[in-house]
Amino acid sequence: EIVLTQSPGTLSLSPGERATFSCRASQSVNSNFLAWHQQIPGQAPRLLIHGASNRATGIPDRFSGSGSGTDFTLTITRLEPEDFAVYYCQQYGSSPLTFGGGTKVEIK
Amino acid sequence: EVKMVQSGGGLVQPGGSLRLSCAASGFTISSFWVNWVRQTPGKGLVWVSRINNDGSIISYADSVKGRFTISRDNAKNTVYLQMDSLRVEDTAVYYCATILPGTWGQGTLVTVSS
Repeated sequence: EIVLTQSPGTLSLSPGERATFSCRASQSVNSNFLAWHQQIPGQAPRLLIHGASNRATGIPDRFSGSGSGTDFTLTITRLEPEDFAVYYCQQYGSSPLTFGGGTKVEIK
Repeated sequence: EVKMVQSGGGLVQPGGSLRLSCAASGFTISSFWVNWVRQTPGKGLVWVSRINNDGSIISYADSVKGRFTISRDNAKNTVYLQMDSLRVEDTAVYYCATILPGTWGQGTLVTVSS
């Protein structure tokens, strides 16, 4: 089983700031099948990025993903008020699929 | 609009059964793999099961293997999760989700309690 470790656990930032999230895998993710999801409390998650760097349909270009192998990054260039949420990485290249523990972005 | 609409769920006693449904709208689900994911209140996301396009490749988390069955009816544009021998620890919000076309269902609460 691939274990995904996300850091930091919580980010305290202000609107307009840049946010960077890390997701480290315990072994290489097949074909870079790494996704990022956003979840606002009380809502269903939403896919942001798939294949490590491909934005999902309708996702603003302030969201970008990068990385390969075992180290992946999600970046939000300028935080908007609606971006304060929890972000999860997920690998879907091998079974069992696994999620990271999440990074919460809170308003500073 | 591309979306997935879930139904089923509710309150069941330990040892009981429930079936969740996930109906695709705005796209043809037969082209895509579908996952079920669950989340207990205040906790993270946990993958439960997935099925490929035609139902020939299926996998489960160890925690539900032998008790849950995923299936699909492409003619009805729907994926199912049959949950048997339910345990208290299966209590969670269950979501269906696809990586492509990148859709999550709205979630449905399953509560296992006597």
